[in-house]
Amino acid sequence: GDSVTQTEGLVTLTEGLPVMLNCTYQSTYSPFLFWYVQHLNEAPKLLLKSFTDNKRPEHQGFHATLHKSSSSFHLQKSSAQLSDSALYYCALSVNTGNYKYVFGAGTRLKVIA
Amino acid sequence: AQTIHQWPVAEIKAVGSPLSLGCTIKGKSSPNLYWYWQATGGTLQQLFYSITVGQVESVVQLNLSASRPKDDQFILSTEKLLLSHSGFYLCAWSRWGGYAEQFFGPGTRLTVL
Repeated sequence: GDSVTQTEGLVTLTEGLPVMLNCTYQSTYSPFLFWYVQHLNEAPKLLLKSFTDNKRPEHQGFHATLHKSSSSFHLQKSSAQLSDSALYYCALSVNTGNYKYVFGAGTRLKVIA
Repeated sequence: AQTIHQWPVAEIKAVGSPLSLGCTIKGKSSPNLYWYWQATGGTLQQLFYSITVGQVESVVQLNLSASRPKDDQFILSTEKLLLSHSGFYLCAWSRWGGYAEQFFGPGTRLTVL
């Protein structure tokens, strides 16, 4: 079946350092990959979505590249900000008519001064 | 603009009691609708999805049921709550399924005692 793996449960960074959150996936089909961000006591919101071509999605300084060869969609940012502290979910969806979305376990990013 | 409303905001219920949670989407006709469950500190587990009125598909069995009585309304219910039902329930919608961005509601916090 389809699955998403986020190996880090908690990432603690000092403000200004680069961010990289890992995401790998398994799917029989060619899935679309997403990154959602959930701030404390809020609902998850879309941060990034993979494109069908080789374009690299970017939003709020975050970017991610879909590498089909390694089944990865790592989230990156050049410089962490205190406001980036949140829970980040990687998710996939395959368009096989069942509208199923699979979320990873989530990575909590904590940015400290 | 589309808005998504969930009710109630929070519930404290006894084991074995019934439950009904609701979700309404305004400003979007014929949305795809989804129910998710998030255990405390856990990932987002998709429970149900619906692409049209009266049609609901189950993704995972948790002794819960869902219904879509109107185009803009999605109901999650059970006749007998279990302790394991505690958590955060999120309703979401998308424009089309399979690879579209999901927009999440504010959620309902359920505590089963």
